[in-house]
Amino acid sequence: QVQLVESGGGLVKPGGSLRLSCAASGFTFSDYYMTWIRQAPGKGLEWISYITTSGTTAYYADSVKGRFTFSRDNAKNSLYLQMDSLRAEDTAMYYCARGGRTTVTYWGQGTLVTVSS
Amino acid sequence: QSALTQPPSASGSPGQSVTISCTGTSSDVGGYNYVSWYQQHPGKAPKLMIYEVTKRPSGVPDRFSGSKSGNTASLTVSGLQAEDEADYYCSSYGGSDNLVFGGGTKLTVL
Repeated sequence: QVQLVESGGGLVKPGGSLRLSCAASGFTFSDYYMTWIRQAPGKGLEWISYITTSGTTAYYADSVKGRFTFSRDNAKNSLYLQMDSLRAEDTAMYYCARGGRTTVTYWGQGTLVTVSS
Repeated sequence: QSALTQPPSASGSPGQSVTISCTGTSSDVGGYNYVSWYQQHPGKAPKLMIYEVTKRPSGVPDRFSGSKSGNTASLTVSGLQAEDEADYYCSSYGGSDNLVFGGGTKLTVL
């Protein structure tokens, strides 16, 4: 069965950095685009990035462009989201998900990022 | 501000049908057959219910159906059950290598 397990969330000060990871299993990881989606407390879903199968290209929402970097390691079935210059408005649950720009089919349980001084 | 517009709430009694709308533009919902719907229970991750406007993933009850007309997509839940009470989100290909979401609709089973 498809499993996506995020890790790396926590409390960070404004301007700081954090690196999220997502471990995938139960499917041929290198065959799929992958995505990060976040949800601020009590708010709706926001797509932030997706990455192609090879990892050579990632696309970003304007809200994170230039601050976040999405990468993947197909040998380790893993995704990474490097988040720099964090702001209070980046506080959210971060989900990794299987899929790209048309739909996402499976979601992880999420990891919480809190940006606060 | 969300890219796609959903009503904040919807409700129905057990056994009834309810329809949730998702309005975009010709650049997203109206331009592509890539509308999806997700169900999210409190404290849980979203779950895909409908993809490519009308298709149901394996395991999703056929009480859930999707449709689209012009720039508006709709999710209909027939034969409402207590466990259908949740937040529902639509998404669409945004036309620029992006995915856009609606603001979400809280479905209450009365």
